[in-house]
Amino acid sequence: DTAVSQTPKYLVTQMGNDKSIKCEQNLGHDTMYWYKQDSKKFLKIMFSYNNKELIINETVPNRFSPKSPDKAHLNLHINSLELGDSAVYFCASSQAATDTQYFGPGTRLTVL
Amino acid sequence: DQQVKQNSPSLSVQEGRISILNCDYTNSMFDYFLWYKKYPAEGPTFLISISSIKDKNEDGRFTVFLNKSAKHLSLHIVPSQPGDSAVYFCAASDLGSGGGADGLTFGKGTHLIIQP
Repeated sequence: DTAVSQTPKYLVTQMGNDKSIKCEQNLGHDTMYWYKQDSKKFLKIMFSYNNKELIINETVPNRFSPKSPDKAHLNLHINSLELGDSAVYFCASSQAATDTQYFGPGTRLTVL
Repeated sequence: DQQVKQNSPSLSVQEGRISILNCDYTNSMFDYFLWYKKYPAEGPTFLISISSIKDKNEDGRFTVFLNKSAKHLSLHIVPSQPGDSAVYFCAASDLGSGGGADGLTFGKGTHLIIQP
């Protein structure tokens, strides 16, 4: 059984479009995260979220917004996509903010 | 500003020998360290962790060593197996200031290649 899943695995779209990436975890974790792995292979935190608090990395443009319909889901919505948004996006979850994080398989976003 | 550095982009080791992957950090507030393993087209998989109150943690073939004064940690894999070929990421967290809510800080990764 997949613990942290993401859809789609690949996403190709045009500049200016709005897109969403879905993330679901079946681990019963309280905290979920979004990371971006850029072309230089750095994995950087974008958001962390539990039902009480959203923490945003200050470098993330406000075109990016996480949406959580329930504790098991944290979707990433991106408005007005730009070329520089092309990257692999990973979702992760942990039982608490202090615990080990478990990652999804990643979504490769390509903006043309 | 790289707070977690893995200076070896790749490492080649013969099967059966010891693999040693190194990681350095600059933020003295980090107090929890993790190693993740990543295969192509998959997400990082948690391997082993160590808190700053320890200097060694062992799990089967994997041992992580932490030298706080040098701000250095290493992952030892012995004996190395072909399935260990992957990219290994070192990550760190500052639990004392609110935990992983700020996310993990990752190194750039080391590509380990196990040769038969």
